[in-house]
Amino acid sequence: QKEVEQNSGPLSVPEGAIASLNCTYSDRVSQSFFWYRQYSGKSPELIMSIYSNGDKEDGRFTAQLNKASQYVSLLIRDSQPSDSATYLCAVNYNTNAGKSTFGDGTTLTVKP
Amino acid sequence: GAGVSQSPSNKVTEKGKDVELRCDPISGHTALYWYRQSLGQGLEFLIYFQGNSAPDKSGLPSDRFSAERTGGSVSTLTIQRTQQEDSAVYLCASSLIINTGELFFGEGSRLTVL
Repeated sequence: QKEVEQNSGPLSVPEGAIASLNCTYSDRVSQSFFWYRQYSGKSPELIMSIYSNGDKEDGRFTAQLNKASQYVSLLIRDSQPSDSATYLCAVNYNTNAGKSTFGDGTTLTVKP
Repeated sequence: GAGVSQSPSNKVTEKGKDVELRCDPISGHTALYWYRQSLGQGLEFLIYFQGNSAPDKSGLPSDRFSAERTGGSVSTLTIQRTQQEDSAVYLCASSLIINTGELFFGEGSRLTVL
């Protein structure tokens, strides 16, 4: 079992819809959680970080964390074609705080 | 500098040759990370530095890989006797301090081993 798992997709939503991206992780001592966006041919860009249970909102993005169930999700409201990218979930563990472990990413396509 | 700078952006080499990849982190960032991304894959952790020291080298794929950081700034990733399976994009990232997990990535060095 991978440490960080994501559905590879592709996930396709119409413009204006809500896109929901999910990530599960295997280690209960995980401390910090991150979502990165990676456009094709580009490097990852941090878009959200979340450290405690519950929701964190930033503009059209909402990150949700549930440590008991070991999942973290990213909601994108009013999806735009410019949101089309691969979204990477990353987890930092207490035991090795210098290392972020990444999932393989979910590819999102927003259709006009 | 304004962002993480990596060089070269592209490198084509023959199997068996040595290559050096360079990373210049964001000014003031104490932590520096190397990851590798193969085509269509996620990010594979290689090594991180806190200052000039590398507490965790467990991600380096083999003893052909080595990395160093000097002056708490520029880092070099060296791959000796390159193999075709080393072909990938090598990404460098930096963060202000070691525990934030908030990484800022460079544009990567694309390595192709023929």
